[in-house]
Amino acid sequence: DIQMTQSPSSLSASVGDRVTITCRASQGISNYLAWFQQKPGKAPKSLIYAASSLQSGVPSKFSGSGSGTDFTLTISSLQPEDFATYYCQQYYKYPRVTFGPGTKVDVK
Amino acid sequence: EVQLVESGGGLIQPGGSLRLSCAASGFTFSSYTMSWVRQAPGKGLEWVSAISGSDSTTYYADSVKGRFTISRDNSKNTLYLQMDSLRAEDTALYYCAKYRWTSAGEFDYWGQGTLVTVSS
Repeated sequence: DIQMTQSPSSLSASVGDRVTITCRASQGISNYLAWFQQKPGKAPKSLIYAASSLQSGVPSKFSGSGSGTDFTLTISSLQPEDFATYYCQQYYKYPRVTFGPGTKVDVK
Repeated sequence: EVQLVESGGGLIQPGGSLRLSCAASGFTFSSYTMSWVRQAPGKGLEWVSAISGSDSTTYYADSVKGRFTISRDNSKNTLYLQMDSLRAEDTALYYCAKYRWTSAGEFDYWGQGTLVTVSS
């Protein structure tokens, strides 16, 4: 199985901050990497797929990069609605996907 | 508009059975692989099972293999998860999710989830 790790596990930030979250795969997964945002009591929401492609309707303040084993999600200017937990997901082994443990972004 | 609506969750005793359903609309259901993903209270996301659209090939996580059965009825645009021999560790919010492409991809749409609680 492909294991996914994320760092940090949590971070505190202020509105307007630039935030970067890292995701690492235990083996190369090319660009088969997605990012999701989840708010309390809500279903996950797709943000990024294919490592850097923005899901339709997602604001351009979100961006993704990386290939192989190392990936990043960046939020260019954090807004109040962005405080949430973020998960990465590999789908190299489709349909057997695996998720990272999540990164919680909260208010400093 | 794609919609996925889960139902069937509830409180069940250890060793019991439950069947979850996911009603899909807004896309050609029979063409897409579908999946169940669960989230234990306060925990992360865990892929549970998937079923292909074309030939209903099934896939399971090791944690549920032999106890859970995924199926679909393309005439009713509905996905199912039959859960037998339930354990306390199966307690979770169960989401159904659609893969982005017909035979590849990640999840582009999720339902709102149905809660399964396994407790005596």
